[in-house]
Amino acid sequence: GQQLNQSPQSMFIQEGEDVSMNCTSSSIFNTWLWYKQDPGEGPVLLIALYKAGELTSNGRLTAQFGITRKDSFLNISASIPSDVGIYFCAGQTGANNLFFGTGTRLTVIP
Amino acid sequence: DTEVTQTPKHLVMGMTNKKSLKCEQHMGHRAMYWYKQKAKKPPELMFVYSYEKLSINESVPSRFSPECPNSSLLNLHLHALQPEDSALYLCASSQEDRGTDTQYFGPGTRLTVL
Repeated sequence: GQQLNQSPQSMFIQEGEDVSMNCTSSSIFNTWLWYKQDPGEGPVLLIALYKAGELTSNGRLTAQFGITRKDSFLNISASIPSDVGIYFCAGQTGANNLFFGTGTRLTVIP
Repeated sequence: DTEVTQTPKHLVMGMTNKKSLKCEQHMGHRAMYWYKQKAKKPPELMFVYSYEKLSINESVPSRFSPECPNSSLLNLHLHALQPEDSALYLCASSQEDRGTDTQYFGPGTRLTVL
């Protein structure tokens, strides 16, 4: 299957700090998605990106679809304790197969 | 409303048991999915249903048997599972199975096989 490399693998940050994580692939995707997953729960969609170069915000979250269509980043500004969780990027092909990145585990220290 | 519901939330079963996982959505979505997620790993696709017909089976063992009785419901029948099948089983749905249709996930069923 498609391999998506997500970095960093984990982050420990102070409350109030900004966070940046990214995802790269050797393959081109039509859609990039960012999900957040809390322990024992399903992934919750944060942002969906449909066009190369697209920059989209959702509150304190901002994500971009890379120009090459092989990468995407997610920024979180002014982190708060409830931002804790695992963040997954996912690339989607025309067949609506969703390929997940390896995840970034975020810990916010109050 | 982007809600996908799954029952039960937790399930413990023996290797000789037969059980079923249920998934429901009322968003009018025509594509539904089963994923398996092991601890600290991303979800892995198992099955895709499109318009109530199985369209993708990712080489899943026959001890997992999906069923889509109607456009709102998706079941996963389990029989003769192994301890290594213990995982979080996630259901998802999307408008259709086109490349731009976003998948929405349910909360999952935590399965433990003894």
